[in-house]
Amino acid sequence: GEDVEQSLFLSVREGDSSVINCTYTDSSSTYLYWYKQEPGAGLQLLTYIFSNMDMKQDQRLTVLLNKKDKHLSLRIADTQTGDSAIYFCAESIWRDDKIIFGKGTRLHILP
Amino acid sequence: DVKVTQSSRYLVKRTGEKVFLECVQDMDHENMFWYRQDPGLGLRLIYFSYDVKMKEKGDIPEGYSVSREKKERFSLILESASTNQTSMYLCASSGDREKETQYFGPGTRLLVL
Repeated sequence: GEDVEQSLFLSVREGDSSVINCTYTDSSSTYLYWYKQEPGAGLQLLTYIFSNMDMKQDQRLTVLLNKKDKHLSLRIADTQTGDSAIYFCAESIWRDDKIIFGKGTRLHILP
Repeated sequence: DVKVTQSSRYLVKRTGEKVFLECVQDMDHENMFWYRQDPGLGLRLIYFSYDVKMKEKGDIPEGYSVSREKKERFSLILESASTNQTSMYLCASSGDREKETQYFGPGTRLLVL
């Protein structure tokens, strides 16, 4: 079945790098996403990667995809207090128009 | 920029009331979705729609119905609200040209007393 797993909580010091990990089960995924949800707000699309790519970089964000291990990670360099949020990993499947979400990782920034 | 709006940010209703949650998108998107978000359970898909007047059940449709009379508007209806429907409700939309990417509204936090 389709499943997306991620740890529920991550605590990082301000200025350090944050790495949020995610695993998925369906090998026919087409796109993999990271969404950010700030307190009291909806989900904001942060970045996404097509399944035939290994890496995507966008300013402080780096997405790494290991398709063999079905592992996706989001690295946030120089983590700031404004990065404090819940980060959702998600995948879309080519034969289906739905997106499967993980339960979200709450990123907590320590001073 | 894609804009998805939801009619209310916060809503308080009593058990048994009929509740309407409205979602509007301004990007002429064909596909619209309703999710609920609960702590520890992540996002769960309630209903979605590919076109006007079309609807498909998601993973947890029980106790809900939807209406899509116009392309830009997708309504979620709780016919008789119950306390276990207290949740954050998120609407999303996507276009057929970029079907895989969903854009979300700010959410409606519903409390059923």
